[in-house]
Formats: sequence, C-alpha cells, structure tokens
Amino acid sequence: SYELTQPPSVSVSPGQTARITCSGDALPKNYAYWYQQKSGQAPVLVIYEDSKRPSGIPERFSGSSSGTMATLTISGAQMEDEADYYCYSTDSGVNYGGVFGGGTKLTVL
Amino acid sequence: EVQLVESGGGLVQPGRSLRLSCAASGFNFEDYVMHWVRQAPGKGLEWVSGITWNSDTIGYADSVKGRFTISRDNAKNSLYLQLNSLRPEDTALYFCAKDRDPDMTYIDYWGQGTLVTVSS
Repeated sequence: SYELTQPPSVSVSPGQTARITCSGDALPKNYAYWYQQKSGQAPVLVIYEDSKRPSGIPERFSGSSSGTMATLTISGAQMEDEADYYCYSTDSGVNYGGVFGGGTKLTVL
Repeated sequence: EVQLVESGGGLVQPGRSLRLSCAASGFNFEDYVMHWVRQAPGKGLEWVSGITWNSDTIGYADSVKGRFTISRDNAKNSLYLQLNSLRPEDTALYFCAKDRDPDMTYIDYWGQGTLVTVSS
C-alpha cells in the first residue's frame, strides 16, 4: 500500500486563492481525486482524474498534477468553501485498493 | 436516485464481531465496484475495503487485513463487511460507497454511515 500526504491546515481570506497539495509516490501513474467534506456530511467529489470538475461544482475549483504532487486550487475562496478536503487515489494492480490523504482543514476568514 | 443505506453498527466489546450491511438501490448494483470507508470521531477518511462487481478482486487496508471480510450479494443488491477481532481503534462511522466503474476508479456515491463503537 502507499500513502498520500496533505498539509493539516490551510487558511486564506475570502477572495484569495487557496492551494492544497497532496504528495505520493504513486501519483505519477495514478489519478488524484479530491473530496470536500463539511461537518456531519458525507464527502462530495470536487475534482476527478487530476483536473476534471464534476457537474455542479463551481468553476473556482480546479486541479492539477505533476510528478508526485497533485494540487487542488480554489480561486477566490468563499466562506462556504470552509471544509475538510481529502485527496484520494487508487491502485487497480497488485495492491488493489484505495487510499485517502490525511485531509486538510481549509479555513476561510 | 442512487441510495446506499448502511445498517448493523452498534456498541461491541473488544475482541467481538459485528456484521455491517449496505442496501443499494437506484442503479445496477452488479455493474460496479463497491467500497467500505470509515471515519473515526474527529479524524480523517480511511479506505477500508473494496470488491469488484463479480467478487473476483478484493482489497483491504493493512489496518484491517486478516480481521475484516468484504462480500456482496448481487441478487440482493447488498454489500457486507464482517468485522472480527474488533479493537478500540476500529471505532468509527462506516460508510458504504459506490465506485463509478466496474473496475476501481473513484467513489461517486456515499451512504450516510453506520456507527461502530468498540469499548468494554
């Protein structure tokens, strides 16, 4: 199994750009996915396959990946974006399974 | 509408067993990989186990390997997780989750979870 590493917390002021990173040795050959989880709720997918945005997710959410690092960017963060964010990746090969990063608490204040 | 409803959680003593169930509806259950994901109180998400549509390939997190067993019954649209030799650190909200594909890609739907508390 492998690991994904995220910073525990990121803080930005409203309207600023928030960047949350996710590092892992398997990311060069596996996609990164990003989930948003607000308190008491099930997670919601905000980015899939490194950089694609599901329908209904605001355009201010974007993703990128290079080498062993994936990045979730929230351009013009809003108060409603305050939440925990998790990166996720999978291995459909020998070590069949998924793995989540430890999560990043985004504070917008 | 996709619905995933977990059941079977509760308070259990260390070393005992529990079986979780997930009733799925609103999609062709037999066409998708299914997962269990857990979240300890105040902690992050942890992928626990996944199973392909035909049960041919199964994976477990290292933390539960040898103690937990995932299974599915496509005729009943149901997913299961047998939890044996439970430890206090297994205390968590257990989510049933659907993958987007027949092979493992990403989770696109989640249940609301069932709480497992391991304590004497």
